[in-house]
Amino acid sequence: AQTVTQSQPEMSVQEAETVTLSCTYDTSENNYYLFWYKQPPSRQMILVIRQEAYKQQNATENRFSVNFQKAAKSFSLKISDSQLGDTAMYFCAFMKPVANSKLTFGKGITLSVRP
Amino acid sequence: DTAVSQTPKYLVTQMGNDKSIKCEQNLGHDTMYWYKQDSKKFLKIMFSYNNKELIINETVPNRFSPKSPDKAHLNLHINSLELGDSAVYFCASSPTPGGSSYEQYFGPGTRLTVT
Repeated sequence: AQTVTQSQPEMSVQEAETVTLSCTYDTSENNYYLFWYKQPPSRQMILVIRQEAYKQQNATENRFSVNFQKAAKSFSLKISDSQLGDTAMYFCAFMKPVANSKLTFGKGITLSVRP
Repeated sequence: DTAVSQTPKYLVTQMGNDKSIKCEQNLGHDTMYWYKQDSKKFLKIMFSYNNKELIINETVPNRFSPKSPDKAHLNLHINSLELGDSAVYFCASSPTPGGSSYEQYFGPGTRLTVT
């Protein structure tokens, strides 16, 4: 079974600065997908970024990028130029790339962006 | 246009009652899911359906019964509600896997409060 660990319960960052959210996972699979989801106070789950394990290049989406270390089973999210709208819970998630696969989530981290 | 919708968004009811939550997706996806987010914000899969067929049933009490009348709808019926059922329930859908289409699209969630 897969497990996803987010050990930091909460973080705070000054607006315009950079913050990194940590995530580790455990799996015996060689191919899989990793995701970061954002959940603002509205509670909507929003996909931030996705990484395929077979790709060595780290995924990037505008101000969001990941540091994917497959051997270390680490998948951190870097948010550059933090904005007030980034204040939310962030969930790291794992999924096997097969039909009907479920998402396995970490416990989440609460990020607060200070003005 | 709303991609994945849920009704109701809020549901307050008493212990022992039976209630249903409805989910509809207009994305043409084949697979639909129910996730539960507990009071500590932990998200966990409950069920998944593919084209009206139950695929995943994750040790959920028998009081919970999903029903999929067609592949665009997945409803969740809960019998004999208990205090511990209070949570946010998310519906999600995903397309037939292929390429990068493993993303799951979430509905807005239904906050169920059992008193």
